[in-house]
Amino acid sequence: QKEVEQDPGPLSVPEGAIVSLNCTYSNSAFQYFMWYRQYSRKGPELLMYTYSSGNKEDGRFTAQVDKSSKYISLFIRDSQPSDSATYLCAMRAGGYQKVTFGTGTKLQVIP
Amino acid sequence: DAGVIQSPRHEVTEMGQEVTLRCKPISGHDYLFWYRQTMMRGLELLIYFNNNVPIDDSGMPEDRFSAKMPNASFSTLKIQPSEPRDSAVYFCASSLGGGPYRWTQYFGPGTRLLVL
Repeated sequence: QKEVEQDPGPLSVPEGAIVSLNCTYSNSAFQYFMWYRQYSRKGPELLMYTYSSGNKEDGRFTAQVDKSSKYISLFIRDSQPSDSATYLCAMRAGGYQKVTFGTGTKLQVIP
Repeated sequence: DAGVIQSPRHEVTEMGQEVTLRCKPISGHDYLFWYRQTMMRGLELLIYFNNNVPIDDSGMPEDRFSAKMPNASFSTLKIQPSEPRDSAVYFCASSLGGGPYRWTQYFGPGTRLLVL
């Protein structure tokens, strides 16, 4: 079993829809949770990060962490065609630089 | 800042040949990471360095892979001999380190490697 599980998609939604992306994990030591966005033929870029459980909002993006369920989510409101990309969840334990990534979910927002 | 620079951007080689990938991290960053990305396995950490010293190379698939960081501004990942299963996109990333707000990893554009 992988430490981090993520549905690869693809996920196709109409413009303006609310998008929900999710990951589950098995390592209880993970404390920092991140979402990276990767456009086609580009490197991943950090979109959001949270520490421990809770919510974090940044514009149209909301990240949620439920450590009791080992489940994290990224919500995108009012999705735009420019949001079309692959979204990777990522996690790390405290005190360590090593980050474990999910395999990514490919999202397409149709105009 | 120019960001993380990788070269070459594309590499096509034949099985058995030596391949060398290069990376220039962001100036001032203390950590450098090498990743491999495939459709099947996603993004995998191969090795990372702190202040030019390899810290964790447990992700290096086998002895055919080696990585060096001779100075703070340059690192190489070498595959010798290369095999078709090494075909992937190889990313280099760097980070400041030293605290949760300083460990964001900045990725380069990647090197697309195809081994025939």
